[in-house]
Amino acid sequence: GAGVSQSPRYKVAKRGQDVALRCDPISGHVSLFWYQQALGQGPEFLTYFQNEAQLDKSGLPSDRFFAERPEGSVSTLKIQRTQQEDSAVYLCASSRRITNYGYTFGSGTRLTVV
Amino acid sequence: TQLLEQSPQFLSIQEGENLTVYCNSSSVFSSLQWYRQEPGEGPVLLVTVVTGGEVKKLKRLTFQFGDARKDSSLHITAAQPGDTGLYLCAGTYNTDKLIFGTGTRLQVFP
Repeated sequence: GAGVSQSPRYKVAKRGQDVALRCDPISGHVSLFWYQQALGQGPEFLTYFQNEAQLDKSGLPSDRFFAERPEGSVSTLKIQRTQQEDSAVYLCASSRRITNYGYTFGSGTRLTVV
Repeated sequence: TQLLEQSPQFLSIQEGENLTVYCNSSSVFSSLQWYRQEPGEGPVLLVTVVTGGEVKKLKRLTFQFGDARKDSSLHITAAQPGDTGLYLCAGTYNTDKLIFGTGTRLQVFP
C-alpha cells in the first residue's frame, strides 16, 4: 500500500484482557518499529524489526508485551493481561534500510484499558 | 527514557510571528529528523539532517543542525494557523532506532 496501515484505530479493553494490534508497513520496507505515545508526549521506542528478525526489544515495558513479524512484512504487537497504564496510542513506522530516508508512521491505534 | 530535550514545551503565538524550537542532546546524533504531528495522526517527517552545521529550508521552515551534531533548531517565519501541531525532533545514534524528543506543542491563533 501507499502508507503504513494500522488496525484497529481504536480499541477499548477491559483490564486483564489480551489485545493484538496490527501493522501493515509500506511494501518493500525492511525495517519496522513500534512506539508507545502517551497523551502530549513524544513517542517512546518499544521494539524494532529488520525483516523478520527482532533486533531490539529493549523498550518493551514488561513481559506482557510481545511483538512478532513472522514473514518480514505484517507485524503484530500483543499485550497480555492489559492494565490501565497500558492505555496509550501505539504507533507503527517503517523505513528502508538506510535511516537517512526517514520513517513513515501509521495513524496509530488508541488503546484504552478500562 | 527520553534522551532529547525540546524547548519550549508549549508555544502559543499570533499569526505572522516568528518562532524557534530547540532540540538538545548530551550525545552525538548519527542523524536527526524533525516531525510534525496532528491530533489523531502519526508523526509526519519534515526533514532529515546528517551533517554538522547543515541548514535546510522548507518554505517558511528553517532547520539547523549544530556543528557538534548534538543540537538542532527549527525556525518558523510568519507562522500561520496551519502550522499548529506537535513538533518532534528525533535522532539516531549509530543504530536504526529513532529516539524522540519531548515535543513542542505549537498553537498559532489567527
